[in-house]
Amino acid sequence: QKEVEQNSGPLSVPEGAIASLNCTYSDRGSQSFFWYRQYSGKSPELIMFIYSNGDKEDGRFTAQLNKASQYVSLLIRDSQPSDSATYLCAVNLPSGGGSEKLVFGKGTKLTVNP
Amino acid sequence: DAGVTQSPTHLIKTRGQQVTLRCSPKSGHDTVSWYQQALGQGPQFIFQYYEEEERQRGNFPDRFSGHQFPNYSSELNVNALLLGDSALYLCASSWWTGADTQYFGPGTRLTVL
Repeated sequence: QKEVEQNSGPLSVPEGAIASLNCTYSDRGSQSFFWYRQYSGKSPELIMFIYSNGDKEDGRFTAQLNKASQYVSLLIRDSQPSDSATYLCAVNLPSGGGSEKLVFGKGTKLTVNP
Repeated sequence: DAGVTQSPTHLIKTRGQQVTLRCSPKSGHDTVSWYQQALGQGPQFIFQYYEEEERQRGNFPDRFSGHQFPNYSSELNVNALLLGDSALYLCASSWWTGADTQYFGPGTRLTVL
């Protein structure tokens, strides 16, 4: 089983709709979960992080975490064409040291149609 | 507040050559991690530096090596380049202590011919 899995997509939604992106992870010791947005040809940009079970909202973005199910999701409300990008789910792998390494999924490509 | 910077932006090399990529972390950060992102894939962890030492390493061969300098900047070196080394190389910086959040630089696009 891969460490972090995402729906490969592509996912296409109309402008103004809710986009739902999903991610599962295999290491129950993981403590931190991240969503990065990556535009074509650019580097990943952090948009959300979540540490605790439940929901975390930031503007039009909501991250949801369920550690028992090893599942994390990202909801984008009122999707805009500018949200069209690849969304990367990343999970930390504890190393026993200070900073942990991140393990990424392959990403889900989102297209928002005007 | 200066973000993470990387140089060069693009690089073309031939098989067997060696390459050095450079990274300056975000102001105030002391930890640098390097990732390789092949086309259509998520970033893959190469290694991480803190206090001028390699602290963690991913599943990459010894052809990949690095260094961190006293000012926290870092270099990634790749020897004996293979075609499969063609990728976007990303540097991310963070705090060592309790610093899960990593911020990425713009990346270096390496093409091996």
